[in-house]
Amino acid sequence: DQQVKQNSPSLSVQEGRISILNCDYTNSMFDYFLWYKKYPAEGPTFLISISSIKDKNEDGRFTVFLNKSAKHLSLHIVPSQPGDSAVYFCAASLDRKIIFGKGTRLHILP
Amino acid sequence: DGGITQSPKYLFRKEGQNVTLSCEQNLNHDAMYWYRQDPGQGLRLIYYSQIVNDFQKGDIAEGYSVSREKKESFPLTVTSAQKNPTAFYLCASTPGVRLGGNQPQHFGDGTRLSIL
Repeated sequence: DQQVKQNSPSLSVQEGRISILNCDYTNSMFDYFLWYKKYPAEGPTFLISISSIKDKNEDGRFTVFLNKSAKHLSLHIVPSQPGDSAVYFCAASLDRKIIFGKGTRLHILP
Repeated sequence: DGGITQSPKYLFRKEGQNVTLSCEQNLNHDAMYWYRQDPGQGLRLIYYSQIVNDFQKGDIAEGYSVSREKKESFPLTVTSAQKNPTAFYLCASTPGVRLGGNQPQHFGDGTRLSIL
């Protein structure tokens, strides 16, 4: 039973345009949602998070939107840069557990 | 520079052999975690430790063992009982035991384990 789903295994976006990565979840009790970025042969690095009581959080080029009624969140990257090419993991936390999605590979095209 | 160091970066194991993956942190974090990542999969929790000399099983603990004798060290042993050990193993830490947006996990760069 996959509680955090990233349905797009990969996404290609032109440099300078907006990248939108999506994530769906099933458990309405999750209290925080997080996005991590991972380069090959490296560990994930934390990007941005959002509390379940908010609907938007912004940090520089990165904005996360949360739609609780749809159990959906998205990460927007504007403008997309070549260094943004990586795998992005959506994660959700509840108590002492974090559940990760399978990741979306983002390719930024020149 | 504070961080998490995992060694070795690549490790090969023969069938029936136990191997130990090292994880050291100098962040003074209380909690440490071990995850496994398989191709096209998310991270799955193997074990976690909130304080020294204490640890709990995660979702896929079978075939693995850990110890937490020092705050900065959390080694993972992949035993011969783990039938499919080939994977990328990630160690992580947090300042406290409460996971979430206010204290996300810091990850090491991982160890890739392969079976000969």
